[in-house]
Amino acid sequence: DAGVIQSPRHEVTEMGQEVTLRCKPISGHDYLFWYRQTMMRGLELLIYFNNNVPIDDSGMPEDRFSAKMPNASFSTLKIQPSEPRDSAVYFCASSWGGELFFGEGSRLTVL
Amino acid sequence: GQQLNQSPQSMFIQEGEDVSMNCTSSSIFNTWLWYKQDPGEGPVLLIALYKAGELTSNGRLTAQFGITRKDSFLNISASIPSDVGIYFCAGPQTGANNLFFGTGTRLTVIP
Repeated sequence: DAGVIQSPRHEVTEMGQEVTLRCKPISGHDYLFWYRQTMMRGLELLIYFNNNVPIDDSGMPEDRFSAKMPNASFSTLKIQPSEPRDSAVYFCASSWGGELFFGEGSRLTVL
Repeated sequence: GQQLNQSPQSMFIQEGEDVSMNCTSSSIFNTWLWYKQDPGEGPVLLIALYKAGELTSNGRLTAQFGITRKDSFLNISASIPSDVGIYFCAGPQTGANNLFFGTGTRLTVIP
């Protein structure tokens, strides 16, 4: 298996633009997680899904952030409008039976 | 809420030296996990601990689940340059399937 696949790896955008981050989990995994990593706050859970259903989105910073999982093999995290404080590395992870497998992350820079 | 504090925050060591880092929690965890994040990559699971007092090894790595269930340590013996990275402890949120991550220990190995 290719592992968790995220795209884009890097994105630079201007404040106010819409950003969409994409994730393909490992086939057969029933949980999908979105984390954000910054120097100041470390790894923070934003939202997670079980069998494509959002279970806990309490970590989503505000209404500008939204996440969807239309099917078992695809999820998106959208920020609209983006702000400079959203600059971070966003990780997607999937799991089955407990161990989380992380993607390589999407580094977002909002100017 | 549950918090995981790691110490030290960073370490600079000579190649060949042993390393010890620990993780403490404000509440009890029933599982402790140790992840390593290489530069530019997502975290990867190193060791999982499931029972208080458990001592588990994985090559040069040894981890222990504290008796109080509020702490864990990770030791690396005979460090090598590829041990460089950030080491995170993690534990599952009570009654949920997501993971809390510690603040991380950044390890630099000087050849």
